[in-house]
Amino acid sequence: GAVVSQHPSRVICKSGTSVKIECRSLDFQATTMFWYRQFPKQSLMLMATSNEGSKATYEQGVEKDKFLINHASLTLSTLTVTSAHPEDSSFYICSARLNNYGYTFGSGTRLTVV
Amino acid sequence: AQSVAQPEDQVNVAEGNPLTVKCTYSVSGNPYLFWYVQYPNRGLQFLLKYITGDNLVKGSYGFEAEFNKSQTSFHLKKPSALVSDSALYFCAVSFQTSGSRLTFGEGTQLTVNP
Repeated sequence: GAVVSQHPSRVICKSGTSVKIECRSLDFQATTMFWYRQFPKQSLMLMATSNEGSKATYEQGVEKDKFLINHASLTLSTLTVTSAHPEDSSFYICSARLNNYGYTFGSGTRLTVV
Repeated sequence: AQSVAQPEDQVNVAEGNPLTVKCTYSVSGNPYLFWYVQYPNRGLQFLLKYITGDNLVKGSYGFEAEFNKSQTSFHLKKPSALVSDSALYFCAVSFQTSGSRLTFGEGTQLTVNP
């Protein structure tokens, strides 16, 4: 089946540094990918929708300059958390839309900013 | 606007008993409905979806869900719960449009007691 590989699974970074999270579609082409943020014991909050070759569409309240999304190819989308602060610590999950009205999810990245 | 609600934060059942995790939705037009399961620090795993056709949908691991248009519900069920079914369950809805986002419910923590 369609698989999205998300890396890293865990990352600890110092406050003020930037962190890049990658999501790769392994056996299909992902025209559209979604980035979510999840706080402990809470639901997934959509941060942005990225379409290959165009700028990402951010949800209201999400800082586009802080959460940089790049979807330069049909198999790779990246989320870069710039100048990370402890409040950015969270679980980030990517998702790709499949042709048959389905969605497949990455395994998530636990970001801890110290 | 589309929305989905999971009225129960937690559901506890005994192993071997039937389980139900509730979901109601609000959307204009015809919805696509999904159930996902999440284990700790992992991404979401697809269980089942309703697109069109039979109201009773059978999915992975013995789960099923019934689409009820009049009650705008899509409850998840399993005839006999396993301890390994203990996890966080999410209901989600999207529109029948290309590239449409998924909107998630709040999540329900299912605990199956041995």
